[in-house]
Amino acid sequence: AQTVTQSQPEMSVQEAETVTLSCTYDTSESDYYLFWYKQPPSRQMILVIRQEAYKQQNATENRFSVNFQKAAKSFSLKISDSQLGDAAMYFCAYTSGGSQGNLIFGKGTKLSVKP
Amino acid sequence: EPEVTQTPSHQVTQMGQEVILRCVPISNHLYFYWYRQILGQKVEFLVSFYNNEISEKSEIFDDQFSVERPDGSNFTLKIRSTKLEDSAMYFCASRSWTSGRNEQFFGPGTRLTVL
Repeated sequence: AQTVTQSQPEMSVQEAETVTLSCTYDTSESDYYLFWYKQPPSRQMILVIRQEAYKQQNATENRFSVNFQKAAKSFSLKISDSQLGDAAMYFCAYTSGGSQGNLIFGKGTKLSVKP
Repeated sequence: EPEVTQTPSHQVTQMGQEVILRCVPISNHLYFYWYRQILGQKVEFLVSFYNNEISEKSEIFDDQFSVERPDGSNFTLKIRSTKLEDSAMYFCASRSWTSGRNEQFFGPGTRLTVL
């Protein structure tokens, strides 16, 4: 069975600095997708960034980028120029390309941003 | 921008009572999902629904749970006889057929409290 592991329960970053959140996953499949979701105190799930496993190029969305290491099964999220509004829980998630798309989530990392 | 909506935002019920959580997915989406998140824990997949039937379900989705798409727009989750441990945030999500990136759009969630 596929699993997603986030080993950092909490992280802290100074405003305007850069922070990296770690995620590893375990799968025997070659076709899959990886995501980072942000969950602010409102508890809404907001998609931050996605990565298709078949793409070698790391995904980037403005201040958010990933370091996708397929052989190592690692998918870290880098947040540059951190802002106070980035403070939230961040969940890494996996879905198989061959499934109906149900997501498997990690336990999350709580990110605090210090002014 | 189209969005997934959920009602109610908060439901309080007595143990043993039936509850129905409602979701309106994005109109041209064909895949529908329910997830739950117990406070402080990770988001867990419950069930996926496609072409008017359940396509996948998790171990959590036992006989006390059921899903329905009664009228072509609403997507409901029924819990037949609620237990204290059903207290959680319940998220509905939807995905389009053409979303090759497997992106799911989440609703704001319904917070269920079982007393």
